[in-house]
Amino acid sequence: RKEVEQDPGPFNVPEGATVAFNCTYSNSASQSFFWYRQDCRKEPKLLMSVYSSGNEDGRFTAQLNRASQYISLLIRDSKLSDSATYLCVFDTGRRALTFGSGTRLQVQP
Amino acid sequence: SAVISQKPSRDICQRGTSLTIQCQVDSQVTMMFWYRQQPGQSLTLIATANQGSEATYESGFVIDKFPISRPNLTFSTLTVSNMSPEDSSIYLCSVVAQDNSNYGYTFGSGTRLTVV
Repeated sequence: RKEVEQDPGPFNVPEGATVAFNCTYSNSASQSFFWYRQDCRKEPKLLMSVYSSGNEDGRFTAQLNRASQYISLLIRDSKLSDSATYLCVFDTGRRALTFGSGTRLQVQP
Repeated sequence: SAVISQKPSRDICQRGTSLTIQCQVDSQVTMMFWYRQQPGQSLTLIATANQGSEATYESGFVIDKFPISRPNLTFSTLTVSNMSPEDSSIYLCSVVAQDNSNYGYTFGSGTRLTVV
């Protein structure tokens, strides 16, 4: 089983739609979880950390389910500028990150 | 968060040669990381570089192929040695900066390497 599994997509959604991504991880020692965004030919940038209690940042909501070992990202009211690859990322405590292969989102006008 | 200056941003190199990539951080950081992103793939950790000690390499990466320097708390280099076309990738450095109990990871803008 891969350490991190993400649906590669692409997810093609119209502007204004709500879209959700899931990511499963196999290492139960994972301690910290993040969603990163990577635009084409750019470096990854932190979108948000993921907390056990769930957290929200504007149109973005992240959830962590430790029992089932997955994290999720919900994007409401999608904008064209949300088009990117979304990377599920975790840290097992070594302070080095393990990346998922990413889910590509294309928001269409 | 920390700001990283990474260079070169891209290079085209002949097989058998070596390329050294530099990362300069605008603040002192304990840990620096080097990642590789092969075409169409996600990021894979190459090694962790701590100042004053040998770098720690991940499985599948060796010091002879990817020697790393970490002379101080703001700078690191990664060398890709004896290159082959399979080394064509984007190489990124990353730092973790801690503020109280929270920490975040920042990436350099990457070095796009093509080996011909």
